[in-house]
Amino acid sequence: AQTVTQSQPEMSVQEAETVTLSCTYDTSESNYYLFWYKQPPSRQMILVIRQEAYKQQNATENRFSVNFQKAAKSFSLKISDSQLGDTAMYFCAFMKPMPIISSGSARQLTFGSGTQLTVLP
Amino acid sequence: DTEVTQTPKHLVMGMTNKKSLKCEQHMGHRAMYWYKQKAKKPPELMFVYSYEKLSINESVPSRFSPECPNSSLLNLHLHALQPEDSALYLCASSQKWDNLMNTEAFFGQGTRLTVV
Repeated sequence: AQTVTQSQPEMSVQEAETVTLSCTYDTSESNYYLFWYKQPPSRQMILVIRQEAYKQQNATENRFSVNFQKAAKSFSLKISDSQLGDTAMYFCAFMKPMPIISSGSARQLTFGSGTQLTVLP
Repeated sequence: DTEVTQTPKHLVMGMTNKKSLKCEQHMGHRAMYWYKQKAKKPPELMFVYSYEKLSINESVPSRFSPECPNSSLLNLHLHALQPEDSALYLCASSQKWDNLMNTEAFFGQGTRLTVV
């Protein structure tokens, strides 16, 4: 079974500064997918960034980037130039790959416990 | 259209009531999910439908009954719930039929359920 650990229940950062959220995971799989989801007070889970384990290059999406260390099973999220709208709960998630999808099979997400990030004005 | 639409947004029901939650997507996704989320906790998987067939039931009590009438719709029928079932219920979908390797899951805004 896969486990995902987020060791920082709460974090805060000043507007315009940089913050890093940590995530570690445990799996025996060699290929898999990792995600960071954001859940603002509006409740909707929004995908922030995705990383395929077979790719060595760290994923980036505008102000969001990851530091993916496969050997260490670490997947941290860096938010640059933090904005007030970044205030949210952030969940790290793991997805195991599956064979060709057919009726009766579907991929599942395993979530970490979450980090509540507050951006201060 | 990259939306998953859930109705209602809020629901208050008594322990003897029967109600239903609805979820709809028009992205051609073939997998649909129900999650339960308590405050400040991660979502917990309840059910997974793949190609309109129930694929996973995470030992959910029978007072929760899922239904997938077609590839775009997912319902969750509720009956004789307990106060501890009060939570945010999230629907998600993934895996478009013509791009099954796409892994992104899209979530709805959830239904905030209160059982009194």
